[in-house]
Amino acid sequence: QQPVQSPQAVILREGEDAVINCSSSKALYSVHWYRQKHGEAPVFLMILLKGGEQKGHEKISASFNEKKQQSSLYLTASQLSYSGTYFCGTEGGAGGTSYGKLTFGQGTILTVHP
Amino acid sequence: GAVVSQHPSWVICKSGTSVKIECRSLDFQATTMFWYRQFPKQSLMLMATSNEGSKATYEQGVEKDKFLINHASLTLSTLTVTSAHPEDSSFYICSATGNYGYTFGSGTRLTVV
Repeated sequence: QQPVQSPQAVILREGEDAVINCSSSKALYSVHWYRQKHGEAPVFLMILLKGGEQKGHEKISASFNEKKQQSSLYLTASQLSYSGTYFCGTEGGAGGTSYGKLTFGQGTILTVHP
Repeated sequence: GAVVSQHPSWVICKSGTSVKIECRSLDFQATTMFWYRQFPKQSLMLMATSNEGSKATYEQGVEKDKFLINHASLTLSTLTVTSAHPEDSSFYICSATGNYGYTFGSGTRLTVV
């Protein structure tokens, strides 16, 4: 089942912050976050496995809620290089989902202007 | 870090011909390889999962006779698009899992004319 991402698009000026959400109707095993530039393959940002987990660097971080149904990606003090499409990829919980089989959200287009 | 080399980066072929896409794990053993397809401005959709030495598992709606997957070794998986048609034009990406977690290939842009 495809996770739902919001918003669909974000336009920022350099230095502004953004939050991208990823939601599932069922509890997840894990959430992965990727950024994709036009014409390129997705680049791995981070993975969250535990309910209540928060991780990341200073300016790009993510959280996973206690119920493991919702994750958010936080981009602070955005830079021009942050522009791209952000995808969350989710691994299902119970039900025989194979390891690494990711279902991707529809993506959030982030545009950072000078 | 783990690297997955995918070739070719882009290919243009005539309708009715077949195209083979290779993904190699360069510095680790890829026990499982996933093949995704991405149409313009859309998300990545999983096509199939392959495990070394066994038959691939295809997602619902993906024709296994059209998209042939071979995972003959722990470092190589191939996707062959047979009798390609213009509607098969897309960005195909592999992803491998091994000791280093999840690694994507660089993608192959297929254009069928």
